[in-house]
Amino acid sequence: LAKTTQPISMDSYEGQEVNITCSHNNIATNDYITWYQQFPSQGPRFIIQGYKTKVTNEVASLFIPADRKSSTLSLPRVSLSDTAVYYCLVGYGGATNKLIFGTGTLLAVQP
Amino acid sequence: GAVVSQHPSWVICKSGTSVKIECRSLDFQATTMFWYRQFPKQSLMLMATSNEGSKATYEQGVEKDKFLINHASLTLSTLTVTSAHPEDSSFYICSARDSAGANTGELFFGEGSRLTVL
Repeated sequence: LAKTTQPISMDSYEGQEVNITCSHNNIATNDYITWYQQFPSQGPRFIIQGYKTKVTNEVASLFIPADRKSSTLSLPRVSLSDTAVYYCLVGYGGATNKLIFGTGTLLAVQP
Repeated sequence: GAVVSQHPSWVICKSGTSVKIECRSLDFQATTMFWYRQFPKQSLMLMATSNEGSKATYEQGVEKDKFLINHASLTLSTLTVTSAHPEDSSFYICSARDSAGANTGELFFGEGSRLTVL
């Protein structure tokens, strides 16, 4: 199972773009990279997923370099409600394959 | 996206009693579900993998006789905390993948169940 490393915390202000980087040096060929958001006392919520290059959806972008040993979650124009813990997970999605959570990054957005 | 539902969302019990938490996949079938535990200000820790029709696989350090898992159907897994003690107080979260879905790694999570043992 690929181990991930993220900054423990980040601070930002409303309206700024936030980039959270995750290192996953031992990512396997079949592994996807998935980011989740978690608010206190709630289950994690899917944000975005990618395999290589760049992926964009309505809430975020995910940048993955060619060697796939890291990835960057980009949140455009954050708001106070984006204050949460963000987790980066890597793994192959076979139904029985488990995913292990790292420490996550606590993003604190200030007015 | 797919929906995973947990019940109850919170429960308070006396020390020594047993508590059952249900995890249901509402619009998909899941041959495998995962149970996580999360203590305050910590990450989610995988407790066990629940397999439909067979025994669960427990992570190292998790007592199988303490945390009973039953996955009797393709849409329901239950976690029973037996003889609960205050140190078992935690946030329990289940997750599942769609057995028929693409192998992309996305897990669908329940809302979590907050257990408080007095």
